[in-house]
This record gives sequence, C-alpha cells and structure tokens, in this order.
Amino acid sequence: GAVVSQHPSWVICKSGTSVKIECRSLDFQATTMFWYRQFPKQSLMLMATSNEGSKATYEQGVEKDKFLINHASLTLSTLTVTSAHPEDSSFYICSASRIFYEQYFGPGTRLTVT
Amino acid sequence: AQKVTQAQTEISVVEKEDVTLDCVYETRDTTYYLFWYKQPPSGELVFLIRRNSFDEQNEISGRYSWNFQKSTSSFNFTITASQVVDSAVYFCALSLGYSGGGADGLTFGKGTHLIIQP
Repeated sequence: GAVVSQHPSWVICKSGTSVKIECRSLDFQATTMFWYRQFPKQSLMLMATSNEGSKATYEQGVEKDKFLINHASLTLSTLTVTSAHPEDSSFYICSASRIFYEQYFGPGTRLTVT
Repeated sequence: AQKVTQAQTEISVVEKEDVTLDCVYETRDTTYYLFWYKQPPSGELVFLIRRNSFDEQNEISGRYSWNFQKSTSSFNFTITASQVVDSAVYFCALSLGYSGGGADGLTFGKGTHLIIQP
C-alpha cells in the first residue's frame, strides 16, 4: 500500500513553453502533498506544500507564479512549470502524506528544457 | 529553521567492509522525525527508516543499523558487510511532523554517495 505515481516520468520541452506534472496517490487519500526539486548531484529541496482545497505554501525563493501547484483532490496534485527555461531543467519529485509523520515519494519526473 | 548535515560527500569501500554514514541535525523543536533514504541511479527514493525524537533506541534491520543520539544530535547509519548493491546516494532528512495545520516537509542533507567496490 501507499503508492504514489508521477506522470510523465520524463519530459522534454522547448524554452518558453509550459509543462504539467501530475502526482497521484493510488491507494490512499493524501491530505498533504509536497513538491521537491533535485538538481544533478545535489540534494532534494522542498519547493512547496499543498493541502487539498487550499492554496499551496511555497518555500522562500520559489516563484509561485512560475511553479503553479493545484491540489484539486485528495489523490491528485499537479505542478505546472510555466514559461520554462533551461535553468528549470531538474528532477521533480512529489510526496504524499496521509499521516503527518509519514511521506510517500513518487518516482520522480525528469524535466529537460531545450 | 532545521538543518541536516552529512559531512561525507563520498565514501568508497571494498565489498564486505562495514561502513558508517554520518548525519548531524539541528532543530529547536523537541518533537521531530528523522529519516534515511536510499537513492539508486534510477532516482526513486527508497525509504529505510523513520525515528521520532522520543525514541532513542537503536535499530537493526538485517545488515543495516541506526544509532540515534540526541546528546550529539546525530543519527548515524551503518551497513555491515557491505555489498555492491548497496551502492547509491543516501540521504538523511528531518521533519517536524506536524506544522501549521498539516504535515511538515522534509529537510534533506546533501547526501553521501556510497560506492562499494567488488
């Protein structure tokens, strides 16, 4: 149990376009979902926290107008990278929480902006 | 703010050797949770362990063991009789658990790249 999926697993897009990444909790309802970003050979950095039906809370330094997060249901959160640029190329990982001390991670989405 | 320090950027050992990965954390909160994750080249995070701040018992799971010491704010991870399949990046992380009406995100250390040579 406690499986989290992400789609797509990898995506290539052109500079200036937008791309949407989905995060789904497959067998449980997630009251909170998180989005992390990981640059090559670096650590994971929390980007934002979203609770179902509420606006996402963004970490300092993360542009909320660039990284749009929607947590429309207890099983789905989406991250949209708007007007993507090469510096947005990264590994994006979501996690979902059903109990406050647990987090279940998705397999990640590798974004390449050309 | 929370902080997790993994001072060892890379460790290389020969198979069957024991290896310890260090993790030191900082937080002013008395309730918190500590985690270890393994990240193989595929990128997917593999959960290894979670400990809460009130449980200082050491834990052993097969070849893996963890030493949690609040006095030194450390949560070290030891692999006994290492194997090539243990090669990966290992992350230590900290969460307050509950924050501001919902679950709290994880603060990760920079990770330790463990290389097990055959």
